[in-house]
Amino acid sequence: GQNIDQPTEMTATEGAIVQINCTYQTSGFNGLFWYQQHAGEAPTFLSYNVLDGLEEKGRFSSFLSRSKGYSYLLLKELQMKDSASYLCAVRSHLPYGGATNKLIFGTGTLLAVQP
Amino acid sequence: ETGVTQTPRHLVMGMTNKKSLKCEQHLGHNAMYWYKQSAKKPLELMFVYSLEERVENNSVPSRFSPECPNSSHLFLHLHTLQPEDSALYLCASSQEDSSNQPQHFGDGTRLSIL
Repeated sequence: GQNIDQPTEMTATEGAIVQINCTYQTSGFNGLFWYQQHAGEAPTFLSYNVLDGLEEKGRFSSFLSRSKGYSYLLLKELQMKDSASYLCAVRSHLPYGGATNKLIFGTGTLLAVQP
Repeated sequence: ETGVTQTPRHLVMGMTNKKSLKCEQHLGHNAMYWYKQSAKKPLELMFVYSLEERVENNSVPSRFSPECPNSSHLFLHLHTLQPEDSALYLCASSQEDSSNQPQHFGDGTRLSIL
């Protein structure tokens, strides 16, 4: 089966650093995405990892270990606007759809940034 | 980002009604997706269209019927829905090729079944 686990909720302080973990068991792994979703809005793309290691994009970094089925999203210098749900999603190849892939999502981690 | 537009944003309907959700993407992508997002549950993939051909139907009840008339438009036709179908329905698009492009999402349609 396919399963993605991430914490349901986290709380952090403005200006601090927070790490959101994601573990997965899937078949046909073809990359891992992190999305941010504010209430009532569309999920927006944050980062992508397909090889092991750290990808850094400004205040956001994402890490992947394929052998451990583990990823984390690191948010630095937290701002109030970072309060949102953070979705971990694993991409796997569709067996009969040509180059098309599908995303399998975790339940999301609701992050509350406090002053 | 206005690359993927969904209408309507909110929809209230009775169980015997027929309605349609519309999605339009302005990004030149070749794949489109319907997802269902319920409270406390992961986004659930419903349908995948690649080059206007349905390539995935994720065990979705027949009361949901997708239509993809061209690469820019995707519809979800609804009829005789149940209260448990109340949820946020998200459309997404992507360029599926050898590059590692993310899916881009619309703001969704909030559906309430009376």
